[in-house]
Amino acid sequence: EIVLTQSPATLSLSPGERATLSCRASQSVSSSLAWYRQRSGQSPRLLIYAASNRAPGIPDRFSGSGSGTDFTLTISSLEPEDFAVYYCQQSWNWPLTFGGGTKVEI
Amino acid sequence: EVQLLESGGRLVQPGGSLRLSCAASGFTFSNYAMTWVRQAPGKGLDWVSGISGSGGTTLYTDSVRGRFTVSRDKSQNMLYLLMDSLRVEDTAVYYCAKYTFGDDVRTGFEIWGQGTAVTVSS
Repeated sequence: EIVLTQSPATLSLSPGERATLSCRASQSVSSSLAWYRQRSGQSPRLLIYAASNRAPGIPDRFSGSGSGTDFTLTISSLEPEDFAVYYCQQSWNWPLTFGGGTKVEI
Repeated sequence: EVQLLESGGRLVQPGGSLRLSCAASGFTFSNYAMTWVRQAPGKGLDWVSGISGSGGTTLYTDSVRGRFTVSRDKSQNMLYLLMDSLRVEDTAVYYCAKYTFGDDVRTGFEIWGQGTAVTVSS
């Protein structure tokens, strides 16, 4: 099973600031990595798939990069709705696995 | 509007069974693979099972293989998860989700339902 490690566990920032979240895989997942945002009490929402492709309807302040074992999600300017938990997920191998999450808080 | 609506979650005793349902609307159901993901209270996301658009391929995480069965009814646009031999550690909110594009798992899960809560306790 591929283990995804997200860092930091918590990121304390203000609206308008830039957020950089990291996801590291225990073995190469090529570019088969997605990012999700989960606001409190809500279902997850897909932000990025295949490492760098924005999902339909996702604003361009979200960008993804990386390949192999190291990936980054960047939010260029935080909006109030972006204060949430973010998960990465690999689809290179079964079982699919998620990282433990990064909480972005004010 | 594309929508997924789960139902069937409730309190059940260890060793019991439960069937979760997911009603799909707003898209051509048979064209998309579907998946179940769960989230234990206060914890992260945990992939449970997936099924191809045709229903011919099913996959499970190790901890549920042999106990859970995923299926779909194309005529009713319904996705199911039959859960047998339930354990306390199966307690979670269960989400159904639709692949972004067809059967391509690399494109992630674009649409999620609101979830249905399963509690396994005596």
